[in-house]
Amino acid sequence: IAGITQAPTSQILAAGRRMTLRCTQDMRHNAMYWYRQDLGLGLRLIHYSNTAGTTGKGEVPDGYSVSRANTDDFPLTLASAVPSQTSVYFCASSDSTATDTQYFGPGTRLTVL
Amino acid sequence: GQNIDQPTEMTATEGAIVQINCTYQTSGFNGLFWYQQHAGEAPTFLSYNVLDGLEEKGRFSSFLSRSKGYSYLLLKELQMKDSASYLCASLDSNYQLIWGAGTKLIIKP
Repeated sequence: IAGITQAPTSQILAAGRRMTLRCTQDMRHNAMYWYRQDLGLGLRLIHYSNTAGTTGKGEVPDGYSVSRANTDDFPLTLASAVPSQTSVYFCASSDSTATDTQYFGPGTRLTVL
Repeated sequence: GQNIDQPTEMTATEGAIVQINCTYQTSGFNGLFWYQQHAGEAPTFLSYNVLDGLEEKGRFSSFLSRSKGYSYLLLKELQMKDSASYLCASLDSNYQLIWGAGTKLIIKP
């Protein structure tokens, strides 16, 4: 693994189903982030984690949950998917503080029907 | 509220210079980022400005005026591979990035 990876690459999901998007980084970065990107809108922060064991809510956290059991992994869970959660999801990480460069994973394209 | 404004789309000619503007209104300010995003790919870092002035990095330069809430990204000697979206993002008082919708830059031969 080099950098930051996400899985799956894309997914079609029935409404009401539970789904976990995976994110793993091998850069030993302290901070990790989940964004969604929708056409015509900027990236919007869903949840973040400044260090392993801590998480925080971003701009659009409703319907999503995260955990940070260790430094490398930061999964995002949709407990009961709804069509408005159709989006491209990007995971990102940064070394330490918010002024550090964020490195993005390749994204997961999620469609909820 | 918090707001980042940048043009939706711009067109330029290969070999030319283009300036992409960004104005921001955020609660607090801790710096301004520019990222590049090719279609279907992840954003990649271009620049970070926290002090007023111009910072040059090869063909790309970024300018910041904190008093005006204004930044621009200057791309020189445009190449076809520069066709991408350019994202402006302001770091607010909570150290969270507030992102603009991006400017799609189309380069014509």
